[in-house]
Amino acid sequence: SAVISQKPSRDICQRGTSLTIQCQVDSQVTMMFWYRQQPGQSLTLIATANQGSEATYESGFVIDKFPISRPNLTFSTLTVSNMSPEDSSIYLCSATKGLGTGDEKLFFGSGTQLSVL
Amino acid sequence: SQKIEQNSEALNIQEGKTATLTCNYTNYSPAYLQWYRQDPGRGPVFLLLIRENEKEKRKERLKVTFDTTLKQSLFHITASQPADSATYLCALGAYGNNRLAFGKGNQVVVIP
Repeated sequence: SAVISQKPSRDICQRGTSLTIQCQVDSQVTMMFWYRQQPGQSLTLIATANQGSEATYESGFVIDKFPISRPNLTFSTLTVSNMSPEDSSIYLCSATKGLGTGDEKLFFGSGTQLSVL
Repeated sequence: SQKIEQNSEALNIQEGKTATLTCNYTNYSPAYLQWYRQDPGRGPVFLLLIRENEKEKRKERLKVTFDTTLKQSLFHITASQPADSATYLCALGAYGNNRLAFGKGNQVVVIP
């Protein structure tokens, strides 16, 4: 198993500012992901955080808005840049210990509740 | 376009009864399907995985079925308990990339 710690757990930010969310896993994982969960909506994958290289972004998400780092096997950050009220959401870090076959379960952090005024 | 549908209405069920949730999908050909539990203020927690060539999977009081012809999965909680109250998410995936597509989730409320 893997325990994922995310911080901050919640924040209230002003429009136009940026927030960096940190994700720490208690053991080595193969893949790390960032999801967004808006009220009443499904979890939406933002990007796959790749160790030592640029993240792989899903359609509708770009690096300038959501820069991601993954300097090692257990840590990743997501920055929400130039925030607007539409960015208000829960952001979730997740990881898998699988070998890349694609059917491994995901572990999730508790999420970061972001409110943008 | 691809769609994953779960009932948006909460399922209220008496303790001890069986709760049954449905996950329907369209324009997908998933290799496997996963079910997660999510409590308020927490991230989802993995429960079960069922592959396209499997009809049924069980884990303790949980049972999942997968019908690729109907494009549907059923999730059952037998002998439900108040502690089972949560939102349950289904997620579809293909081999090789770990990129899951999630449904919106279905809330279950077990009444003592």
